[in-house]
Amino acid sequence: GAGVSQTPSNKVTEKGKYVELRCDPISGHTALYWYRQSLGQGPEFLIYFQGTGAADDSGLPNDRFFAVRPEGSVSTLKIQRTERGDSAVYLCASRAGGFFGELFFGEGSRLTVL
Amino acid sequence: SQQGEEDPQALSIQEGENATMNCSYKTSINNLQWYRQNSGRGLVHLILIRSNEREKHSGRLRVTLDTSKKSSSLLITASRAADTASYFCATDGGAAGNKLTFGGGTRVLVKP
Repeated sequence: GAGVSQTPSNKVTEKGKYVELRCDPISGHTALYWYRQSLGQGPEFLIYFQGTGAADDSGLPNDRFFAVRPEGSVSTLKIQRTERGDSAVYLCASRAGGFFGELFFGEGSRLTVL
Repeated sequence: SQQGEEDPQALSIQEGENATMNCSYKTSINNLQWYRQNSGRGLVHLILIRSNEREKHSGRLRVTLDTSKKSSSLLITASRAADTASYFCATDGGAAGNKLTFGGGTRVLVKP
């Protein structure tokens, strides 16, 4: 596609539920990133894929968070047993080549946990 | 944790004035990037400056980098109401590896 696409744009769920957020990067971009952004804050790094593998998952806050990219294109961020503190905008970005260039961001998925 | 910290946190100026914001970071970098975010939207890349560069221009944007002080500045000249947004610096490489680490941002309001 022309840009990075994220779905859903908005997700409201109840505490304890399971959530999946999807990211479709720019075609041909090998690197894919997930960030989380709380209101008034900068994006916080979660995980980075180079191809199919997670090259750096040091930002995942705990084992309730998991992300996959099985075919090296679309990625899914999975959050189990959601908590109110998980409420944030989850941003996905992709980068051509994978090293030290600009990131192209999607519009984000706004998650609200009630 | 955030590598870059922007200063000021918020800035309010009149249309036509210049806007300057600063970014400080802690560890070595390969490059530093600036992004813009309109309210409720994704981030848009503005400019990238490599660690061996000291100044870069793009249209009304001017970025400087001082690696000895671990700081960068973004200048927007002749600001317009449409420049109202949050601006973030992000550092890439070095101790951070291949991930881009963002600061907390400067919220700029340009009044018409």
